[in-house]
Amino acid sequence: GAVVSQHPSRVICKSGTSVKIECRSLDFQATTMFWYRQFPKKSLMLMATSNEGSKATYEQGVEKDKFLINHASLTLSTLTVTSAHPEDSSFYICSARVWPNIQETQYFGPGTRLLVL
Amino acid sequence: GDSVTQMEGPVTLSEEAFLTINCTYTATGYPSLFWYVQYPGEGLQLLLKATKADDKGSNKGFEATYRKETTSFHLEKGSVQVSDSAVYFCALTRNTGNQFYFGTGTSLTVIP
Repeated sequence: GAVVSQHPSRVICKSGTSVKIECRSLDFQATTMFWYRQFPKKSLMLMATSNEGSKATYEQGVEKDKFLINHASLTLSTLTVTSAHPEDSSFYICSARVWPNIQETQYFGPGTRLLVL
Repeated sequence: GDSVTQMEGPVTLSEEAFLTINCTYTATGYPSLFWYVQYPGEGLQLLLKATKADDKGSNKGFEATYRKETTSFHLEKGSVQVSDSAVYFCALTRNTGNQFYFGTGTSLTVIP
């Protein structure tokens, strides 16, 4: 099946620094990738939809200047948390939609756990 | 708007017990329905799915039937194992593709 990887799997950073998280589709092309945030004991909340070659579409309440998304190729999307603060600590998960999306299935990465001190 | 409601957990069962995790949805049209499983420290894995009414998705002994009349997609397993301990998410997406809507997740712990 389709595989999505994320890097790093875990990152600890100081408050005020920026952190970049990569999401890669390893064996398929993904014109669209999605970034989710999962709070402890909560569901996944969609942050933004990333389309290759165009600007990301952010969900209401998500700061686009804080969570920078770049989808420069059909296999890579990056999420950069700028000027991170402790409240940004969370589990970030990406997913990719297979193209052509015949079965309406998204494949999820293993997630990146961010801890901001 | 579209939404998914799951039974709240946590759920604790003894090994070989019968499992039901309720899921109902609200959506216009005919969404596709999914169950994802998240093992400790890992991302989400697709467990099963159904794309139209009366379809039954099944995998690893788990089953769920797409019930349009009750807008439900309950997850069942006849005999759970310790290795089934995880968080289970019900989700839907429109057949036009794009955003997934997830339930809040149900934590399952199976004890020997």
